[in-house]
Amino acid sequence: EVQLVESGGGLVKPGGSLRLSCAASGFTFSSYSMNWVRQAPGKGLEWVSSITSSSTYIYYADSVKGRFTISRDNAKNSLYLQMNSLRAEDTAVYYCARFNLVIRGIDYWGQGTLVTVSS
Amino acid sequence: EIVLTQSPGTLSLSPGERATLSCRASQSVSSSYLAWYQQKPGQAPRLLIYGASSRATGIPDRFSGSGSGTDFTLTISRLEPEDFAVYYCQQYGSSRALTFGGGTKVEIK
Repeated sequence: EVQLVESGGGLVKPGGSLRLSCAASGFTFSSYSMNWVRQAPGKGLEWVSSITSSSTYIYYADSVKGRFTISRDNAKNSLYLQMNSLRAEDTAVYYCARFNLVIRGIDYWGQGTLVTVSS
Repeated sequence: EIVLTQSPGTLSLSPGERATLSCRASQSVSSSYLAWYQQKPGQAPRLLIYGASSRATGIPDRFSGSGSGTDFTLTISRLEPEDFAVYYCQQYGSSRALTFGGGTKVEIK
């Protein structure tokens, strides 16, 4: 069974930093591109970042470029999101998501971790 | 950057009725790159449709997708109580970014 379990969310002050982790199991992690997608309270889905299977290619939404860094450790079946210079508008549930290149969509999602940026 | 516009914002229907949800792209999208998701309160989204018209594993056949170019449709033939949720379309762009529409809420009338 595919499982994606996020951790690391919490309350942080504006300008602060946070590192999210996603532990993957039930599939060959090193074979899949992975994504972070966020959802602000009461709002829609917003893609944040993606990383290919071997970390060769990395992409970011304009809203986080230069502040967030995605990475992965295939030996540990883990995905990460380092978030710096956090702003109030970064407050959201952050989902770890597996991208399936065959279907060109996200076929598995984690349960999400809440990040709240507030003074 | 392609923008996806979903309409209506809210659809009020009764169980057993047919739901038709629209997703319009600001420029032509490859059908292969268009997906639909369902999200219920407090839950992560779930993949329903990929490639504009292919149902994901385990998705009932009352869900169907269609369309091409800039206009795509998700149809729920007969609404079941568990279908009342928010639905999002998503496209995978040449820039390798994912773009989501703003969502359509299907609520009980």
